[in-house]
Amino acid sequence: AQSVTQLGSHVSVSEGALVLLRCNYSSSVPPYLFWYVQYPNQGLQLLLKYTSAATLVKGINGFEAEFKKSETSFHLTKPSAHMSDAAEYFCAVIPRGNRLAFGKGNQVVVIP
Amino acid sequence: DAGVTQSPTHLIKTRGQQVTLRCSPKSGHDTVSWYQQALGQGPQFIFQYYEEEERQRGNFPDRFSGHQFPNYSSELNVNALLLGDSALYLCASSSWGGQGASGYTFGSGTRLTVV
Repeated sequence: AQSVTQLGSHVSVSEGALVLLRCNYSSSVPPYLFWYVQYPNQGLQLLLKYTSAATLVKGINGFEAEFKKSETSFHLTKPSAHMSDAAEYFCAVIPRGNRLAFGKGNQVVVIP
Repeated sequence: DAGVTQSPTHLIKTRGQQVTLRCSPKSGHDTVSWYQQALGQGPQFIFQYYEEEERQRGNFPDRFSGHQFPNYSSELNVNALLLGDSALYLCASSSWGGQGASGYTFGSGTRLTVV
């Protein structure tokens, strides 16, 4: 079954430093890939999505992700972390139909 | 424009009881999907409703059931509650035949605690 793997449940980053969250998917067929963000006591907000149009995808809040088929990866980056980036981030894929399959998530802590 | 509305926001139930959670989709959306998010985990797909019928189902027992109404709103029912059912339940709406999961809008969720 199609799935995604996110390593490192907690990620600490200094304010102003690079944010890098890793996501690997398990299929050799380029899927639909997503990154969502979840702030405390809130639902999921779409950051960006890959739908085979371009390998470098730009999203909201300065985030971007690069699809690399050879590495089956879709890592999320932001050049300079802001305190407001503290949240939980989920990588997701569509295995079939319109349902999403999520990774376990990364809790991002931004250190002043 | 109202997004996805879920009620209640928090709920505490006792083992063995039954619970009903409610979801009103975003205006213009006709499809509702439900997800369960246990603490420290990613959301897991429960089922999806369109035209008042269950269209897809994840790996959840029959204790989990749902309904969709003519106005597209939806309910999630869980019978014989177990401690392991404690989680955040998320509702997502979309347009059938549109961009599918690409066009999901999520609600803020209902936090269910089973004691």
